[in-house]
Formats: sequence, structure tokens, C-alpha cells
Amino acid sequence: EDKVVQSPLSLVVHEGDTVTLNCSYEVTNFRSLLWYKQEKKAPTFLFMLTSSGIEKKSGRLSSILDKKELSSILNITATQTGDSAIYLCAVLHGDKIIFGKGTRLHILP
Amino acid sequence: DVKVTQSSRYLVKRTGEKVFLECVQDMDHENMFWYRQDPGLGLRLIYFSYDVKMKEKGDIPEGYSVSREKKERFSLILESASTNQTSMYLCASSYRDSYEKLFFGSGTQLSVL
Repeated sequence: EDKVVQSPLSLVVHEGDTVTLNCSYEVTNFRSLLWYKQEKKAPTFLFMLTSSGIEKKSGRLSSILDKKELSSILNITATQTGDSAIYLCAVLHGDKIIFGKGTRLHILP
Repeated sequence: DVKVTQSSRYLVKRTGEKVFLECVQDMDHENMFWYRQDPGLGLRLIYFSYDVKMKEKGDIPEGYSVSREKKERFSLILESASTNQTSMYLCASSYRDSYEKLFFGSGTQLSVL
């Protein structure tokens, strides 16, 4: 069965901390791994990763894919309260996207 | 900016009612999707469409149908709503060759009593 597993399911840290969110997957016909941020209702696209070992960065967020380990991490450095959200990992396999359950991140001021 | 608009933010319906959830996108996207999101279960794909008048079943199509008569509009239909269809429904769209990058609507929270 195809699946995407995220950990932890929830995380509470203080502003300024660095966090690492994990995603592992088991799918057939892997094409790419995706990260989305869901603040209120609508998830918004963060990253697409297709090649192992190449880091993608956007400001304080970065992500990397390990195709040997079938996993990815999303790092957020110097967290701010505005980073509080659900972070969704997803995998495109064939022509379908399967989502993980998400990590709910809460940043305390 | 891409805009994906869902007609209602909140809906309350009775068991057995026929329910229509509407989604409109303004970026000429070929692909459109309906997901539901439940606590502890994440986003699950109900139906998707790659073109006008075509539809494909997702992972949980039972109890739902869809309609795509125009490129910009994708409707989700609950023929006879049941309490286990209480959920957050999210519509998304993307370009044909870029369907990793989904643009989501703000969601419709449906409660079936």
C-alpha cells in the first residue's frame, strides 16, 4: 500500500528555535516529493524535490530528499510565530499525489 | 495570482440531502481535484479531472460524484449526504504538466446532521 508518513505529528517550540520535520514514503513509481504549508485552510506550495541530496531553500526554510532512505526533511531555522501551521508532505507517484497526515507546528512567542 | 474559489466556507445539511460543492479557478488550469481533510487522516483524494467532461476516481470516491462541464468549474456532488461525510472539503487545480504544484481553495467545512 502506498503511504506517506510524517513525524512528529505535532511540535511546540519557542520562537528562535530550529525545527526539523520528517517525511518518509513507500510508493510505487515515485516522481517527486512535495512540501506544503497550511496556515488556515488553503495549503500553499513550498518545495518540490526530485533529486537526492540537492537542498532546496527559501528564506529560513530548506528541504532535502534522500531517495536511498525514502525520506525527506524540512528544516526551519530561527522560527517565528508566523511559522505556526500544519506542514504537509506529499509524494507524486504516477499521476497521483498522496499526502501525509501533516505535522502541526506551534511556535510560542 | 491564481485564485481557486469555493462557493461556501461553511455548510450545514441534513442526512439524505443532495449537496453540491462548487469550485471555480481563474487560471485556465487543465487539472482540478477534490480532497477531503479529516483530523488524523490528512488529505484524501476523492475525484480529479484532467479536462472538460472527464473525471477519474481518487482514493475514496464512494458516495460522491463530480461534474466538469466547463474548464474553470469542478463540482462535487453528494447524492445523499451522510454523517460520515462531515468533513473539510478542499478543491485544487494545476496546469496539465505541473500537477505537483497544486493551488488550493480555502475549503468548505461541511456538517451533515
